[in-house]
Amino acid sequence: DAGVTQSPTHLIKTRGQQVTLRCSPKSGHDTVSWYQQALGQGPQFIFQYYEEEERQRGNFPDRFSGHQFPNYSSELNVNALLLGDSALYLCASSLGTGGTEAFFGQGTRLTVV
Amino acid sequence: GQNIDQPTEMTATEGAIVQINCTYQTSGFNGLFWYQQHAGEAPTFLSYNVLDGLEEKGRFSSFLSRSKGYSYLLLKELQMKDSASYLCAVSFQAGGFKTIFGAGTRLFVKA
Repeated sequence: DAGVTQSPTHLIKTRGQQVTLRCSPKSGHDTVSWYQQALGQGPQFIFQYYEEEERQRGNFPDRFSGHQFPNYSSELNVNALLLGDSALYLCASSLGTGGTEAFFGQGTRLTVV
Repeated sequence: GQNIDQPTEMTATEGAIVQINCTYQTSGFNGLFWYQQHAGEAPTFLSYNVLDGLEEKGRFSSFLSRSKGYSYLLLKELQMKDSASYLCAVSFQAGGFKTIFGAGTRLFVKA
C-alpha cells in the first residue's frame, strides 16, 4: 500500500517563474491538504481539496492555486515565484475533512533563485 | 485568531523522561495532534487527542485539557533516535475543518 507520494522531490526555479507540484494521496484517502514549511518552522496551511474543490484556505496569496483530480490526486501551482517561496512543500492526505489523522508525503524542496 | 505555542528547543538525556508542552487558543476546537519530524523528512503521526485526559501509546503519551487549552507529549526511556522536532497541531472547525501547526519543539537527546 503506497503512502502519500509527491513529485518532484527537489526543484530549482528562477524568480518570476511558475511551478507545479504533484501529490498522490494514500490509498483510500479522498482529501488532500497542502502545507508550506520554511526551515525551522512548522508547516503552514495553504489549502485543502475535497471532491475536486478547494474547501479551506490559509493565509496565502492568489499566486498559490491548486487542483484535485477525480482520482483524488492533487496539484499545487505557484505563479510569479518569489525568493520567499523557497520552502519544503508538504502534501497530507486524510479520509474526509473532519480533522482526522493526516499522512504526509516526503515533500518537495523548492528553491527559488 | 488561532495560536499555538510550544518551546523552541529542549535537551534531555538518553533513558530519561521529557515532557513537551503545547498551549493553544482557538475557537471551534476539534482535536489535537502530535507529529514527529526528523530533519529533512516528513512529519509522522504520533497521537490524536479529542477528549480530556491521557492517551498512552508505548513510550509516548499525550495529555489534553480542553478547558486550559493545554497539551503535553511525554516521551519515556529516551533514545538517541528520538532527537527530532515535535509538532503540536490543532484541528478546529471554521466553516469546515482546518489543521494548523505550531512551530515545533526541537528535542536533542544526549548520551
